[in-house]
Amino acid sequence: DIQMTQSPSSLSVSVGDRVTITCRASQSVSTYLNWYQHKPGKAPKVLIYGASTLKSGVPSRFSGSGSGRDFTLTINSLQPEDFATYYCQQSYSSPSCSFGQGTKLEIK
Amino acid sequence: EVQLVQSGAEVKKPGESVKISCKGSGYSFTNYWIGWVRQMPGKGLEWVGSIYPDDSDTSYSPSFQGQVSISVDKSISTAYLQWNRLKASDTAMYYCARRSDDYYYYMDVWGKGTTVTVSS
Repeated sequence: DIQMTQSPSSLSVSVGDRVTITCRASQSVSTYLNWYQHKPGKAPKVLIYGASTLKSGVPSRFSGSGSGRDFTLTINSLQPEDFATYYCQQSYSSPSCSFGQGTKLEIK
Repeated sequence: EVQLVQSGAEVKKPGESVKISCKGSGYSFTNYWIGWVRQMPGKGLEWVGSIYPDDSDTSYSPSFQGQVSISVDKSISTAYLQWNRLKASDTAMYYCARRSDDYYYYMDVWGKGTTVTVSS
C-alpha cells in the first residue's frame, strides 16, 4: 500500500493569505498525484491532477508542484470560498488509490 | 450531463445488511471505473474499492477487503456497495466517483453521497 501523509492537518488563515499544503508519499508516485477540495455537505471536487495540471474551471490562484514523493498545493490570495478541507490522492497504483488525511483551512 | 446519482440514506441495526447504489448517466457507463470512498464522521476520505463495469473487475483497499462487496449491474448502469453484517463503525458517508480516463486517473465525477447510520 502507498501511504499519503499531508501536513499540516489544519491551518488557521485569513482572506488574502498564501497557503501551502504538503503531501508526501511512502514511495514514488511519479506525478500521479491529485488534489481535491471538499466542503461540508458537498461532493469532493478535483482541483489539480498530474501533480500540476489545473482542472478546467478551477481558479488560477490554485497551483500544484512536485514529483516522486513530495508534492505541494499552493493557494495564492485565499478567497472566502476557499475555506474547505483539501486532500491529496495518489493514483499511481490505479485502480487502487489512497488519500492523504486532509488539511482543513479555518478562518483566523 | 454526466452524473452519478446515489441512493438515499440508510438507517440500520448492527448485524443487518444493506446495499447502496450509484447510477451513472450521460456517459458510457461500462468504460469507466467506479470507486467508492468512505468518510466517517469528522474524518477524512478513504478509498474503499473500485469496479470496472464492463467486466466487473474489482479492486479493494486492504482495509475493506472482506468487509464489503462491490458489484455492478451494467444493464441499468448501476454500481453497488454492500455489507452483509453491519457494525456501528460502518456509520459514515459513502461517495461513489468515476475514475477519469485521463492519463492521471483522478476522480472526475462524484455522487452526492449516501449516509449509512448503524445504531441499535
